[in-house]
Amino acid sequence: GEDVEQSLFLSVREGDSSVINCTYTDSSSTYLYWYKQEPGAGLQLLTYIFSNMDMKQDQRLTVLLNKKDKHLSLRIADTQTGDSAIYFCAESITGGSYIPTFGRGTSLIVHP
Amino acid sequence: DAGVTQSPTHLIKTRGQQVTLRCSPISGHKSVSWYQQVLGQGPQFIFQYYEKEERGRGNFPDRFSARQFPNYSSELNVNALLLGDSALYLCASSVGNQPQHFGDGTRLSIL
Repeated sequence: GEDVEQSLFLSVREGDSSVINCTYTDSSSTYLYWYKQEPGAGLQLLTYIFSNMDMKQDQRLTVLLNKKDKHLSLRIADTQTGDSAIYFCAESITGGSYIPTFGRGTSLIVHP
Repeated sequence: DAGVTQSPTHLIKTRGQQVTLRCSPISGHKSVSWYQQVLGQGPQFIFQYYEKEERGRGNFPDRFSARQFPNYSSELNVNALLLGDSALYLCASSVGNQPQHFGDGTRLSIL
């Protein structure tokens, strides 16, 4: 079955880079997602990557995928206080109904 | 374009009552999914509907039910509410194999 693991907390200084890590267990073809959740809000899709890709970059966000180790990371360059939120990694299996399985989320705290 | 909209935003119920939550998907999205998110956890899948048919169901008791209407909006019903049903209920819509887009959720508190 699918299982997604994330570290629970990350604290960084404003202006530094943040790296949030995630591991998943399913070796089938998958989509892997990063969502952001701010207090009192729903989940905002940040980016996603298909398992045949190694890297995807979108402005300050870089996603790296190590398929052999089933390891996914999200790098946020020049982290700002507005980036403080909970970040969820999720995985879905292609060929099915693309229902994502979520990790518990990583709480990113950005301090001045 | 409007995103996924959910109503109400907050709801307080007592044990044993019944609740109905509503969701309107993004225009053009035919698939709607429901999730339960308890504090400190990631969203847990409850149901997915596509073209008014149930396509998937998570590990939730029969007290949870849902339906989708011809305009693709959806309702989630929960009967015989328990304290443990207190959570944020999220609705998401999608099209094809594209990622799901979430609403801001309904915060349900059970007293």
